Amino acid sequence: DAKTTQPNSMESNEEEPVHLPCNHSTISGTDYIHWYRQLPSQGPEYVIHGLTSNVNNRMASLAIAEDRKSSTLILHRATLRDAAVYYCILRDVTRDYGQNFVFGPGTRLSVLP
Amino acid sequence: NAGVTQTPKFRVLKTGQSMTLLCAQDMNHEYMYWYRQDPGMGLRLIHYSVGEGTTAKGEVPDGYNVSRLKKQNFLLGLESAAPSQTSVYFCASNRGWGPTTGINQPQHFGDGTRLSIL
Repeated sequence: DAKTTQPNSMESNEEEPVHLPCNHSTISGTDYIHWYRQLPSQGPEYVIHGLTSNVNNRMASLAIAEDRKSSTLILHRATLRDAAVYYCILRDVTRDYGQNFVFGPGTRLSVLP
Repeated sequence: NAGVTQTPKFRVLKTGQSMTLLCAQDMNHEYMYWYRQDPGMGLRLIHYSVGEGTTAKGEVPDGYNVSRLKKQNFLLGLESAAPSQTSVYFCASNRGWGPTTGINQPQHFGDGTRLSIL
């Protein structure tokens, strides 16, 4: 199974950009890369997803390496509200459906004022 | 905008008791999911449903049952609660259409049910 590896924790200063890495060296050609985040005492919320090209939305940017073996979630200007656990997940229609919806431990991001 | 609503928000049970957690969504989503999250860990999928009247097992289904009698509701049951089932339970839903049928549709989560079993 294609899996992801993320650092356990990261720190950032408020109003600075944050780059959250995710390694997925065994990614297949049909794996989509998804990011979710979980704020304290809340359920996860969707952030962004992509397949091959870099993606931008109002929350963040997703930079995908050319060989797709890694990706980076970019928060352009961290705020205190961005302190959360960030999950990088691979989802693939060719895999058993339920296997696509498991969340690993993620990266705990702390934002310092 | 209610989104995904879970009831109750907190519950304390004794070992051997039974209970049902209710998840309701008002977004007309086809797919619904139940997860559990233990301290310091990610979310593990218990059961899911791809439509009214259908359910399937996830990663950790033992000790739980589910039902999806109405499209908007997904129930999670514990027949005989055990201390190992102490956890935070999250429900989620998403749409299912197009070639990737739910895989790439964002999941919407409830705020969780904190369940303690003594």
